[in-house]
Amino acid sequence: DSGVTQTPKHLITATGQRVTLRCSPRSGDLSVYWYQQSLDQGLQFLIQYYNGEERAKGNILERFSAQQFPDLHSELNLSSLELGDSALYFCASSAPTGDGHTGELFFGEGSRLTVL
Amino acid sequence: AQSVTQLDSQVPVFEEAPVELRCNYSSSVSVYLFWYVQYPNQGLQLLLKYLSGSTLVESINGFEAEFNKSQTSFHLRKPSVHISDTAEYFCAVSDAYSSASKIIFGSGTRLSIRP
Repeated sequence: DSGVTQTPKHLITATGQRVTLRCSPRSGDLSVYWYQQSLDQGLQFLIQYYNGEERAKGNILERFSAQQFPDLHSELNLSSLELGDSALYFCASSAPTGDGHTGELFFGEGSRLTVL
Repeated sequence: AQSVTQLDSQVPVFEEAPVELRCNYSSSVSVYLFWYVQYPNQGLQLLLKYLSGSTLVESINGFEAEFNKSQTSFHLRKPSVHISDTAEYFCAVSDAYSSASKIIFGSGTRLSIRP
């Protein structure tokens, strides 16, 4: 158990719909990262939040958005869903460090999204 | 820009046989290197990492990887695999001292162990 909790574990929805994925980081971790894992694209970094503020942005579509709340949990919102958005969405957190990082990301078990 | 290449998408081996999972990276600066493992129906977890110091790093379950700067490689090895090692393995790279958001993951190598 990594200490990172993601809900829901599975989600099936239709094209054009909107879903929200939720993540609770490990206790004490300030950073939350969202990744998309699909068969053809591998593991792609979407976005990072640090203590409520957006810190870095990766290959995140404009139809997707995220936020981190004061209690440090984060939500990833996916809207106008397309078939190609079907994937496993992972949340990860990392411990606060000084300069740079130690490289250790703690991943949740993921939310599997199926768009029909 | 950095990149990481895992040359083998799948590696089948027999139980108790040795295995090597290959990883090559490209970067113009000092790097941190990682191997993450993803067991079935689970998230990724860090297996081992190279930040600095000894170029040979080991995990608690018998895997080791060697940072080879001249060949820009960080291959993962285990002298004798077990059924429980069945998983997908991801090599990853980032600039040293950069943010963890800059970690780039390879496409993964699926290790399947045959009894």
